[in-house]
Amino acid sequence: EPEVTQTPSHQVTQMGQEVILRCVPISNHLYFYWYRQILGQKVEFLVSFYNNEISEKSEIFDDQFSVERPDGSNFTLKIRSTKLEDSAMYFCASSPGGDSEQFFGPGTRLTVL
Amino acid sequence: GESVGLHLPTLSVQEGDNSIINCAYSNSASDYFIWYKQESGKGPQFIIDIRSNMDKRQGQRVTVLLNKTVKHLSLQIAATQPGDSAVYFCAENTSGTYKYIFGTGTRLKVLA
Repeated sequence: EPEVTQTPSHQVTQMGQEVILRCVPISNHLYFYWYRQILGQKVEFLVSFYNNEISEKSEIFDDQFSVERPDGSNFTLKIRSTKLEDSAMYFCASSPGGDSEQFFGPGTRLTVL
Repeated sequence: GESVGLHLPTLSVQEGDNSIINCAYSNSASDYFIWYKQESGKGPQFIIDIRSNMDKRQGQRVTVLLNKTVKHLSLQIAATQPGDSAVYFCAENTSGTYKYIFGTGTRLKVLA
């Protein structure tokens, strides 16, 4: 059964460093998403992406965040200058349609020291 | 701002009993709702969804009820099993947008 994959599973970085979180969505899906979940809290929407551009973004997704689909399979989230409060689980998801079931990846745990 | 919330942070049920997890939403424009299950250390897993033109939808052992009048969503799990132990989130979306708002989550504990 196809699934969303994410790498790395755990990323440790120093405050102020740039990180790139990688995702491979399900191959025939058209909509891609990034969410984050701070430990013990709810899942928070960051951004949705369709047709090679951002469809929607939340207040959290400020100028330090960017997304890219560099090729036909990968979907990346870049955080330019990490802050301590960026420490969280980051989940990638994909869906065939904009309002249909989203399939989530296993997440990347980002720890900012 | 608009938000989705849950009444009960933790729900404990006996194995074999039915579980009911509730969710209140405040955005009257929301017309698509999803329930997710999240096990420890994993990403959310889709359980069932419902659109606002319906008030009930059934899946395998799960039923979602939508009451638009009071902006309330519930997830019913029949014959709860130990494998149902997880955190359950509701999420909402408005047609034409691609932003999904999650609720705060309810932890379901199944007692043997």
